[in-house]
Amino acid sequence: QKEVEQDPGPLSVPEGAIVSLNCTYSNSAFQYFMWYRQYSRKGPELLMYTYSSGNKEDGRFTAQVDKSSKYISLFIRDSQPSDSATYLCAMSDGAGGTSYGKLTFGQGTILTVHP
Amino acid sequence: NAGVTQTPKFQVLKTGQSMTLQCAQDMNHNSMYWYRQDPGMGLRLIYYSASEGTTDKGEVPNGYNVSRLNKREFSLRLESAAPSQTSVYFCASSEWGFGGYTFGSGTRLTVV
Repeated sequence: QKEVEQDPGPLSVPEGAIVSLNCTYSNSAFQYFMWYRQYSRKGPELLMYTYSSGNKEDGRFTAQVDKSSKYISLFIRDSQPSDSATYLCAMSDGAGGTSYGKLTFGQGTILTVHP
Repeated sequence: NAGVTQTPKFQVLKTGQSMTLQCAQDMNHNSMYWYRQDPGMGLRLIYYSASEGTTDKGEVPNGYNVSRLNKREFSLRLESAAPSQTSVYFCASSEWGFGGYTFGSGTRLTVV
């Protein structure tokens, strides 16, 4: 079993839809949670960053973390064709120690928003 | 623009050939990483360097070596390329202990 599981999709939605992307994880030591967006033939770029449990909102994007269920989500409201990309969740057990901020990534979900 | 620069962007190698992938960052980050990305496998850590002068193995280090040349530069070497090393390679950097990475644009490597 992988430490981080993410449904690879692909996911296809119409413009304006609400998109929900999810990851589950098994390592209870994870406390930093991130979402990256990767456009085709580009490097991933950091989209959302959350520490511990709770919600974080940034424009049309909301990240949720439920540590008790080991489950994180990214919601995209009013989705646009420009949101079409691969979305990767990533997690870290934190600063210091032997991890030095190493991230463990999910497999990525391919999202297409069609006009 | 500030960020992470990878060279080359594309490379085709024959089995058994060697090559070095170069990575440089200009954000004064302490930590640097090499990942490979394969379809259905996500990003897998090859090697990382927590700070200048240190390197450690990641999840898939076999067949690779790294050098942290200075704070800016972190290179990845394939000594004897194999078809299984066909992949897209990403270099990333981060502030020490902060998990938010800045990625380069990647090197697409094909080993025939």
